Parts: sequence; C-alpha cells; structure tokens
Amino acid sequence: DGGITQSPKYLFRKEGQNVTLSCEQNLNHDAMYWYRQDPGQGLRLIYYSQIVNDFQKGDIAEGYSVSREKKESFPLTVTSAQKNPTAFYLCASSPPGLQAEKLFFGSGTQLSVL
Amino acid sequence: QKEVEQNSGPLSVPEGAIASLNCTYSDRVSQSFFWYRQYSGKSPELIMSIYSNGDKEDGRFTAQLNKASQYVSLLIRDSQPSDSATYLCAVIRSTLGRLYFGRGTQLTVWP
Repeated sequence: DGGITQSPKYLFRKEGQNVTLSCEQNLNHDAMYWYRQDPGQGLRLIYYSQIVNDFQKGDIAEGYSVSREKKESFPLTVTSAQKNPTAFYLCASSPPGLQAEKLFFGSGTQLSVL
Repeated sequence: QKEVEQNSGPLSVPEGAIASLNCTYSDRVSQSFFWYRQYSGKSPELIMSIYSNGDKEDGRFTAQLNKASQYVSLLIRDSQPSDSATYLCAVIRSTLGRLYFGRGTQLTVWP
C-alpha cells in the first residue's frame, strides 16, 4: 500500500537533547512538508521541500532542521534551540502538477518534553 | 490579521441537523480552498475542495465559496455522530502557492 509513514508515534525529549522524527513516503511525490500542531490550533508549516536536495523554511523554522537526501525521506530534527517542542508533528506530501494542492498526511508523531 | 480565520467553536448539533462551519481569508486573490477533517489524535484528511464561486456538493457535504466576501463555508446535512471531529479550513495564496490552515472548528454531533 502506498502512503506516508511517520515514526515514532510517541517521542520524549530531555532538556538539551536533539531528536529526529522520521518521515518516509512511497507515493513517488516530489513535495514534502512538516507541520506542527498545538492543541486547539491549526497546522503551522515548519519546513517544506519541493525536490531532492532542496528545502525552504516555513513560518516557524527556528529550532528545527531538515534534510532531503532522498525523494522518499524527509526527516525533521528538533534541536535544543526549540524551547517549546511539545506538539503533534505531521509530515505530508503532495503529487506534482495540479494535484499539488492536495496533501497526503502521515499518522503523526506526538513529541513531549520530560 | 491571520491568513485564515475560523470560528473555533466548539459547535454542537443534534443528530440529523445541519452543521454550518465558516471560514474567512485575508488574501483577496486566493484561488483554492479546502476543508480537511481531523479526528482526535489522527491526521487530517481532505474532504472537500472548491475553486470557483458558488456551491459544490458531495454527498452530505456542501462547500460554499464567496470570493467577494472572502468567505468559504462547509455545510454538513443530516449530521451523524461519526461527523464529530475538528474541521480545518485551508487556503492557497496565489503568490506563494502553499496551504495556510485555520485553527479549526471542533464539531460534536450528539445522538
């Protein structure tokens, strides 16, 4: 089955620690995205990538980093510089052309601070 | 001013009623509008898209767009308890070509 796989489902971060959230897709989509969702809030864009080896900052990129070495993979690192990382993180991808507006989401990772 | 504004609710309707969800957007030249449904603890799923003024119907769902008023709505007819979820409005700004989401409206349909 084609889809987007996020792991882990739950993640705990200690003070000063960097953690990496995994996102893998087998939909052959060029574009991939990372969103953050806080309780009662909409989705805010962290980073996005339209093509391999290229990515752009979204609205709340500070304290986060990404890489896009393979088309299938778009991992997100939450660095120690992100002082309030507790949130639900969603990875998404979109197909090329006119369908690029429609996002396909992974199941999400809930990150909490110990 | 936020890009996309939604009445955050919560909205509570009885089973069988019409639920009306509203959304306004700030960029007058926005072209594409979407409604996503998100169950608690799950990821959003696209349920409706609309691109031109007027109504678009899909089963029990109707999306309405009024570009002059910068307003988009979602009507759910014959609401069911399974419709209980948060509904996210999303808009593509023509200049940037990426989605902006509202904070969502939580809908509860009680039996």
